Amino acid sequence: SQQGEEDPQALSIQEGENATMNCSYKTSINNLQWYRQNSGRGLVHLILIRSNEREKHSGRLRVTLDTSKKSSSLLITASRAADTASYFCATDRQGAQKLVFGQGTRLTINP
Amino acid sequence: GAVVSQHPSRVICKSGTSVKIECRSLDFQATTMFWYRQFPKQSLMLMATSNEGSKATYEQGVEKDKFLINHASLTLSTLTVTSAHPEDSSFYICSAFPTGPTNEKLFFGSGTQLSVL
Repeated sequence: SQQGEEDPQALSIQEGENATMNCSYKTSINNLQWYRQNSGRGLVHLILIRSNEREKHSGRLRVTLDTSKKSSSLLITASRAADTASYFCATDRQGAQKLVFGQGTRLTINP
Repeated sequence: GAVVSQHPSRVICKSGTSVKIECRSLDFQATTMFWYRQFPKQSLMLMATSNEGSKATYEQGVEKDKFLINHASLTLSTLTVTSAHPEDSSFYICSAFPTGPTNEKLFFGSGTQLSVL
């Protein structure tokens, strides 16, 4: 079963604006990851944040993790039309190698 | 980065036939591969964990006789949908962790869209 819940389910913004997506999970984790999926394609890894980290940056991406609230956020700054995709958070349950994916946020960047 | 090749990308078949999907790790070895199923605008549902040289581990509710998994080498896993029916139509995606100490990031194939008529 999916343990991640993401909100919003869909987000539409103008190019240049920032996009924020949230993810909540239920069990203890070793790390949380964010993936991107273009329509009809496989997923691409974006960023990984460990349970002992609170914030991480990669280019225009900023991820935060609050283990006390069991939640994470992904911020995409200065969005571009090419950022249009679905974004999924994924968590690993402690002791298990497999990842469990959230429901995803469908992001649309309008030019 | 590591590359996972999945083939075919799209297949249309008649009800009752079997379809084989291949997943290859091109530049790394993968002791373990994962098979996911995804319905339109929904998340990925883990179907099974494919283990090289041993039986696959299936998630609850997934029929192992319906979805046959073979992981005969460290670079190849196959998923066979047996006696496919229209309700099996879906997007199937494989993924793998490279074998080694830094194996936290999943690499995905490009997916297979299965349409059963």
